[in-house]
Amino acid sequence: AQSVTQLDSQVPVFEEAPVELRCNYSSSVSVYLFWYVQYPNQGLQLLLKYLSGSTLVKGINGFEAEFNKSQTSFHLRKPSVHISDTAEYFCAVTSGANNLFFGTGTRLTVIP
Amino acid sequence: DTEVTQTPKHLVMGMTNKKSLKCEQHMGHRAMYWYKQKAKKPPELMFVYSYEKLSINESVPSRFSPECPNSSLLNLHLHALQPEDSALYLCASSQDRGVWELFFGEGSRLTVL
Repeated sequence: AQSVTQLDSQVPVFEEAPVELRCNYSSSVSVYLFWYVQYPNQGLQLLLKYLSGSTLVKGINGFEAEFNKSQTSFHLRKPSVHISDTAEYFCAVTSGANNLFFGTGTRLTVIP
Repeated sequence: DTEVTQTPKHLVMGMTNKKSLKCEQHMGHRAMYWYKQKAKKPPELMFVYSYEKLSINESVPSRFSPECPNSSLLNLHLHALQPEDSALYLCASSQDRGVWELFFGEGSRLTVL
């Protein structure tokens, strides 16, 4: 089975500052990795995904993530955040079989 | 705009009521899902419906009953719920079973009194 750990439950950051949200996974097989964002009172929206190929993946809203197999990590980054980026961010992992395993989420709060 | 539509957005029901949550997608996706999300928690998979076959999370109580009238509709029938069932219920779809790029609806906020 797979699992994912998001060590930071809350990340406050000032507007226009860079941010990194950390995600580490555990799996004995090859994995596919995702980042989803959830704005208040809404469903989840896919930010980006790693399926294969280049380890640096770019997503919507200026976010990017890097797959690091040796570190079993898939950290999410943005060079300059906006107020509108305030949301809950979920990392998720699957081997492609029966389920997608979500992390516990990181609450990003952008401070004006 | 979401391409997965859920109704109602909010539902309040008593423990003896029978109600249903509805979900519709028009993307031609072949897999649809129900997730339950408690406050400040990640979504938990309840059911997967694909090619007229239902897959169930064994831990989901029988008071939740999914129904798939056709490939674009997925309902969740609720009966004799408990207050701890209060949560955000999210419907999602994907191109196919095992394709985990999920498209979520905005959710139905359920409160059980």
